[in-house]
Amino acid sequence: AQKITQTQPGMFVQEKEAVTLDCTYDTSDPSYGLFWYKQPSSGEMIFLIYQGSYDQQNATEGRYSLNFQKARKSANLVISASQLGDSAMYFCAMRESTGGFKTIFGAGTRLFVKA
Amino acid sequence: DVKVTQSSRYLVKRTGEKVFLECVQDMDHENMFWYRQDPGLGLRLIYFSYDVKMKEKGDIPEGYSVSREKKERFSLILESASTNQTSMYLCASSLLGQAYNSPLHFGNGTRLTVT
Repeated sequence: AQKITQTQPGMFVQEKEAVTLDCTYDTSDPSYGLFWYKQPSSGEMIFLIYQGSYDQQNATEGRYSLNFQKARKSANLVISASQLGDSAMYFCAMRESTGGFKTIFGAGTRLFVKA
Repeated sequence: DVKVTQSSRYLVKRTGEKVFLECVQDMDHENMFWYRQDPGLGLRLIYFSYDVKMKEKGDIPEGYSVSREKKERFSLILESASTNQTSMYLCASSLLGQAYNSPLHFGNGTRLTVT
């Protein structure tokens, strides 16, 4: 069964430093997509970055990069040069090609950026 | 930009009431979803729809129903609200094509309290 695990309920990082948010997943489908979403205190969910299971390169979007290790089934989010506005909940999510368009989410990691 | 609009930001209802949560998207997306978000549990899928009048159960459909009479509108119905349905409800939409790499676009959420 598909499953997403985020083992860090909360993380602290100093402003301007890099931080890695962990995500591991479980699936038997060879075709799947991995997503990261950000949820600020305002509540809206914001799509950050996507990695496909067949992508050879790690995805990058500005200060966000995804450290994809397929054999270990991990898809960690790296945020470089953290900013105060990065303080938020971060969710890792997965959709399988055979999952009926269903996206499942991890429990989330709350990131606190310190000035 | 895709806009997903949820009709209420906050709702307070009494136990046993029938509750309607409305969601409208303006980008002609085929797929629409209802999730509930609870601390420590992440987002859990209640129902989704991939076409008008079509619906599929998610992981936690009990106590809920949905309606999709028009492509842009997806309603979540709590037939008889109970206190354990107090939660944040998030509506989302996505494209049908390229299914597993299409990100979700979320509304701002409805925080429902059942007393």
